[in-house]
Amino acid sequence: DTGVSQDPRHKITKRGQNVTFRCDPISEHNRLYWYRQTLGQGPEFLTYFQNEAQLEKSRLLSDRFSAERPKGSFSTLEIQRTEQGDSAMYLCASDGTSSYNEQFFGPGTRLTVL
Amino acid sequence: LAKTTQPISMDSYEGQEVNITCSHNNIATNDYITWYQQFPSQGPRFIIQGYKTKVTNEVASLFIPADRKSSTLSLPRVSLSDTAVYYCLVGDKAGGYNKLIFGAGTRLAVHP
Repeated sequence: DTGVSQDPRHKITKRGQNVTFRCDPISEHNRLYWYRQTLGQGPEFLTYFQNEAQLEKSRLLSDRFSAERPKGSFSTLEIQRTEQGDSAMYLCASDGTSSYNEQFFGPGTRLTVL
Repeated sequence: LAKTTQPISMDSYEGQEVNITCSHNNIATNDYITWYQQFPSQGPRFIIQGYKTKVTNEVASLFIPADRKSSTLSLPRVSLSDTAVYYCLVGDKAGGYNKLIFGAGTRLAVHP
């Protein structure tokens, strides 16, 4: 257990539905990251928050995706009108000034879009 | 960020030393070399990081030659539980944050 938690761990949904995932980072970490990982590939960066500010978004993050970190603590990632291509593991990670270059990853949320 | 190249897969047996080499020919002066480990259905886990020469911790050693165009992760006396995907990453904490760029990694299978 890295101290980063994600909920739910698994989500099965039908195409066209909206889904929302939650990430709780390590409490003293001010930086939070979302990644997406498909089978057989390494994680791909989606977006980054410093405190409550979203400072970078990947081109992978289409307009159907939105992420928030309202109080600089937990974060949510919402996917609207899900597509089968959205099926993947969604990983959250956090770090802070004390962790230097080490990011702490959560267990991920596995999304399956039918 | 520098691109890395590492073997797609490796096989080993319990008790052996495993060395995974990563090439990063275009590494920049400010870049660090970091290795992560990932088990199935889990997030990646930091193993080790270095800038040059040799770094050792309780889990692994990292060897970096003087030109820094490659690096080798060394796992001493592997066990079945070391079966995982190992990622080599190269990058800098640019702008005060650390956007990790993962490749496909090396799938290590440890056999009895």
